Amino acid sequence: QVQLVQSGAEVKKPGASVKVSCKASGYTFGSDDIHWVRQATGQGLEWMGRMTPNSGNTGYAQKFQGRVSMTRDTSTSTAYMELSSLRSEDTAVYYCASGVTVFGAFDVWGQGTTVAVS
Amino acid sequence: DIQMTQSPSSLSASVGDRVTFTCRASQTIGRRLAWYQHKPGKPPKLLIFKASSLETGVPSRFSGSGSETEFTLTISSLQSDDSATYYCHQYVSYSFGQGTKLEIK
Repeated sequence: QVQLVQSGAEVKKPGASVKVSCKASGYTFGSDDIHWVRQATGQGLEWMGRMTPNSGNTGYAQKFQGRVSMTRDTSTSTAYMELSSLRSEDTAVYYCASGVTVFGAFDVWGQGTTVAVS
Repeated sequence: DIQMTQSPSSLSASVGDRVTFTCRASQTIGRRLAWYQHKPGKPPKLLIFKASSLETGVPSRFSGSGSETEFTLTISSLQSDDSATYYCHQYVSYSFGQGTKLEIK
């Protein structure tokens, strides 16, 4: 079945970087953008950015410009999100998501990765 | 940036009630709007896309309407399993509303 499987929980110190992976299976990892969304503790959903696996083309929310990098490894159908200069406010659950059968909306989500900055 | 504003921020209703959530966009987005149901410890679940199209497998008691800047999500007959936070999401430039927390009395 179509699924996105993310890497495990992380604990990082302020100022460090974190890299979360998102492995796609059950569909062709190519033209469907992979998006990253986070939910900080007690907050709502926040869109961070997107990456097109075929081209590596990216687009980031202004809030994260200069601090986030989204990449991919097409040989393993895996997308990556790296966030640097971590601060306590970055403590959150990070999700990857994609619109596999629905253009634009996110019909497939990873299980979420908890990142704690402390 | 396109801002999405949801109302109310929270809602309490009883099983069998009809409930409606509202989402307003700061700029016109056509029908590029989705609704998600989010429960603690799980990823969000797509309910509605293209403002009014029901995602496969989602119960027909969920419906969406609207266009341009004003959108609504309606649950026609509330079930106990519908307790969750509901988010609207515009996919012109990508952003979410702040969510509406639904509690079942």
